[in-house]
Amino acid sequence: NAGVTQTPKFRILKIGQSMTLQCTQDMNHNYMYWYRQDPGMGLKLIYYSVGAGITDKGEVPNGYNVSRSTTEDFPLRLELAAPSQTSVYFCASSYRGGADTQYFGPGTRLTVL
Amino acid sequence: AQSVTQLGSHVSVSEGALVLLRCNYSSSVPPYLFWYVQYPNQGLQLLLKYTTGATLVKGINGFEAEFKKSETSFHLTKPSAHMSDAAEYFCAVSSYSGGGADGLTFGKGTHLIIQP
Repeated sequence: NAGVTQTPKFRILKIGQSMTLQCTQDMNHNYMYWYRQDPGMGLKLIYYSVGAGITDKGEVPNGYNVSRSTTEDFPLRLELAAPSQTSVYFCASSYRGGADTQYFGPGTRLTVL
Repeated sequence: AQSVTQLGSHVSVSEGALVLLRCNYSSSVPPYLFWYVQYPNQGLQLLLKYTTGATLVKGINGFEAEFKKSETSFHLTKPSAHMSDAAEYFCAVSSYSGGGADGLTFGKGTHLIIQP
């Protein structure tokens, strides 16, 4: 099992550009999550999904969009990149929510200039 | 809303010494508590978690944590530090048990430094 994979690993965007961060898991997990990590701030939840076709906002959803058309994939879309979106983005998955362990991908480091 | 406070953004210990990383949480309902470790330029890996039952939880790499409801704490310990323990450590609480958005609420992290 590859677990949770994310692409790309690094990306530099110009202000106003758009991009999609890809996330795929091969563990047949129902739940998937997107977090952002800023230095000294821990991780904050952007969006999550409890199954194909179902998504919901987390703590910091502004400026992002998600979709979940399959169990395996959970892409994160940035429509108009802003410097405030410079961060490291982590995708995670779990079989269920609550007490279940979340498994994290290796992250995507995004810089917006 | 739930929250997690980790005391000390940096903790330095000598190799072979006791490791103690502090975590306090707030929750209006019984929490699910987690400790994750992050090595440089990597994702997060679960060290241990508390769900229900025994309050002393053992994890990987010799780490353990004790859930103390009266103190709203979930401190992480290891009897003898090893150089390979140098990393960032995150305490987290599950939001699901609070009835709000699913996902984890993280503390700001503690950077563990091991002195030779």
